[in-house]
Order: sequence, then structure tokens, then C-alpha cells
Amino acid sequence: DAKTTQPPSMDCAEGRAANLPCNHSTISGNEYVYWYRQIHSQGPQYIIHGLKNNETNEMASLIITEDRKSSTLILPHATLRDTAVYYCIVRGGIQGAQKLVFGQGTRLTINP
Amino acid sequence: GAVVSQHPSRVICKSGTSVKIECRSLDFQATTMFWYRQFPKQSLMLMATSNEGSKATYEQGVEKDKFLINHASLTLSTLTVTSAHPEDSSFYICSASGPNSYNEQFFGPGTRLTVL
Repeated sequence: DAKTTQPPSMDCAEGRAANLPCNHSTISGNEYVYWYRQIHSQGPQYIIHGLKNNETNEMASLIITEDRKSSTLILPHATLRDTAVYYCIVRGGIQGAQKLVFGQGTRLTINP
Repeated sequence: GAVVSQHPSRVICKSGTSVKIECRSLDFQATTMFWYRQFPKQSLMLMATSNEGSKATYEQGVEKDKFLINHASLTLSTLTVTSAHPEDSSFYICSASGPNSYNEQFFGPGTRLTVL
């Protein structure tokens, strides 16, 4: 699986949009970008995934650049409960049976 | 999303004993389950992948005789840490995917193991 690069930490004010970047310059054509988050001492939670088009769901939006070498996860109105470590993962295919390889992620802190 | 549970949530054991951790998919059939380990302030590290009814596939560097994985049914996988030592103290997390879960894996809440 391709590697990803994320900033180790970010801060965001409550109520503002949180924009989390991810670089995946070696991504190949059939690899998807997944985002998970892990709140302290809990299991990871799926957020969103995409291939080349921008995606939006009830939790977040995913913006993937045209060359697919980077992406941005957007939490439109961050709350204190969004404080977590966010992982950007590149995975070949969309089958749930394929393993996820976690990097170091970005520790996002939402400040009141 | 689908629910995955783990039991126990916390366990403390003496060095040299064995500990079994259960991972259950509560509302779907998990054809594939994954086991991860996470040390403090570190990321999740995949230990092994198990498919129902077959032997687990271990990641490089993970001792299969020390970390026994059983996936005998479509809703239950177990991880047994044999002859546990203090360095095995960690947060163990399982995830599961079913035949129809094309998009994501569902993670359990984790089990914190402390070996004294």
C-alpha cells in the first residue's frame, strides 16, 4: 500500500471548519483514500473514503486533488467531540477484507 | 454502522499466564477479522488477518505461537496471548468486515492488557 504523510498535530477552534491535509504522492490508479479517526482509548471510527471524486457524508467532506497525490478531510463545524487522531490511509480496492495500514496520523485538538 | 464488541475491556494478569480476548460481530457475519496492537502514543500495528474457518495470516515479526488466533465462527474471533510478559502490555483492537461490507472495516472498542 502507498504511504501517506500527515502533519503530526493541528489545532482548530470550536465551530470552525477543520481542514486536515494528507499527502499520498505514490498512490496508484486503483487505490482508494480512506479516513478514520480514533478518539482516546477507543477503536478507530470510519469517516469517509474516495477514489478520485470529492465525497461528502454526514460526518465530513473529502477533497482529492486532480492528480490524486493529496487530499483534504474537512470537518465543516468542528466540535469538542471531534478531538481525536485522524488517520489517512491508502488502500488498494474497496473490499473490507483488505487490510488497513495505519500511519502516525494527525492529532486534532478542538479548542473551545 | 455495524457493531463489533470486545471482551474483556480491561484485563490484568501475572507474568507467565495466558489471556484470551474475544472479538464479536453483533449484527453481521464477519468473514474476515483483523487484530491490531497499539502501544501508548503510537499508531495501530496490524498483527494478523483471520478468515473464518482458516488459519490466520500473521504480519512479519509477529510470533504466531505466542499470539494464537482462532476464527471458528462468522461472529467470533479470539486472540490468546500465551505466556504473557510485561512487554505484551498494550491496547489490543480487533476489526471485522463482512461479505457485503465493501467500504469499511468495523472496529471494536479495544482491550487494554496489563501484564504485571
